[in-house]
Amino acid sequence: GAVVSQHPSRVICKSGTSVKIECRSLDFQATTMFWYRQFPKQSLMLMATSNEGSKATYEQGVEKDKFLINHASLTLSTLTVTSAHPEDSSFYICSARASGGVGTGELFFGEGSRLTVL
Amino acid sequence: AQSVAQPEDQVNVAEGNPLTVKCTYSVSGNPYLFWYVQYPNRGLQFLLKYITGDNLVKGSYGFEAEFNKSQTSFHLKKPSALVSDSALYFCAVRAPQRKAAGNKLTFGGGTRVLVKP
Repeated sequence: GAVVSQHPSRVICKSGTSVKIECRSLDFQATTMFWYRQFPKQSLMLMATSNEGSKATYEQGVEKDKFLINHASLTLSTLTVTSAHPEDSSFYICSARASGGVGTGELFFGEGSRLTVL
Repeated sequence: AQSVAQPEDQVNVAEGNPLTVKCTYSVSGNPYLFWYVQYPNRGLQFLLKYITGDNLVKGSYGFEAEFNKSQTSFHLKKPSALVSDSALYFCAVRAPQRKAAGNKLTFGGGTRVLVKP
């Protein structure tokens, strides 16, 4: 199946700094990528939909200025957590769907990035 | 709005016994249904999907799921569970959409499966 790579897998940062997480589709092009957040022992919460070449669509309650998303190419989307605080500590997961029509295929997920803000 | 319910937070089963993880859904129109598995500190791995056709869907690692439209359910099953099946399982649904953004999945709360030797 298609491979989605996330980097870094783990990151620890100080409060107030910004952290960038990359999501790459390795063997396919993705016009749309999705960013999720997962709290311990909880389900995935969709944060935003990342569209190549246009602005991301954020879910209700997600701060656009806090979680900056850039989808500059068909294989890369980035999530930047700006001025991170301890409450931003979480597991962030991206997913991607191949281009070329909506189709009915499943989404391919990255391995996730665990952010810890001290 | 679409939603997914996984009524059991955890399912315990002995190795070799049948495993069932329950899922019910609510969506407008014909649903696209998915099961994913997540191991600790890992992303989600696709197990199987139902789009159309035969109600019994077979997937990876010996898992299968049965789509029941009248009961709006999509329970995951495995005839003989393995210790290595211990993980977190998510059911997900989306409504068929023509636009790319319609691929938005809604996940259930997850069910932790513990298979004991």
